[in-house]
Amino acid sequence: NAGVMQNPRHLVRRRGQEARLRCSPMKGHSHVYWYRQLPEEGLKFMVYLQKENIIDESGMPKERFSAEFPKEGPSILRIQQVVRGDSAAYFCASSPPNPDPRVTEAFFGQGTRLTVV
Amino acid sequence: GQQVMQIPQYQHVQEGEDFTTYCNSSTTLSNIQWYKQRPGGHPVFLIQLVKSGEVKKQKRLTFQFGEAKKNSSLHITATQTTDVGTYFCAGWGSQGNLIFGKGTKLSVKP
Repeated sequence: NAGVMQNPRHLVRRRGQEARLRCSPMKGHSHVYWYRQLPEEGLKFMVYLQKENIIDESGMPKERFSAEFPKEGPSILRIQQVVRGDSAAYFCASSPPNPDPRVTEAFFGQGTRLTVV
Repeated sequence: GQQVMQIPQYQHVQEGEDFTTYCNSSTTLSNIQWYKQRPGGHPVFLIQLVKSGEVKKQKRLTFQFGEAKKNSSLHITATQTTDVGTYFCAGWGSQGNLIFGKGTKLSVKP
């Protein structure tokens, strides 16, 4: 059972370009979470998705950022018109479709390190 | 909104010394989880505590969940260089998202 797969591992974008980060959850997992981590800082929650639904996007900036988790394929975190401040590690985590997600752990991918130059 | 706070932010210890990190939530938690992130790595699940006053051990690591289910601690006995990393506590938010503390970064001097 492959773990949570994120790609690319490293992404360099010029200011104003778009960044697309992909996350394939573990097999059988239908809950996906995205986090942003700045150097030497903690994990900041961005968005929580289930298949085809955004459950909680309270941590995601209102502009330039969007996320989706389609019926087929990976979850995508999209950042439009990137700025230097978007440089960070972006982690995706997944958990199984337990009726109560509060009694299960989250499995993390290895992250995408985004650098905006 | 719900917040999870951790102290200290950094801890430097000599190998063989003990280490403790503390976690406090602004609200009562259904459970609390602990994760470890090695330098350059990703968070890895360590343990989950569910019951009030629960204590769990993993070798040299001892995890406690407070009676009021609003605080928790992780204690490492006789640290080793392999313990280096950042330790995060996390609790589930009301919307089903997992909220992390800012973590305690542990460095161990050989």
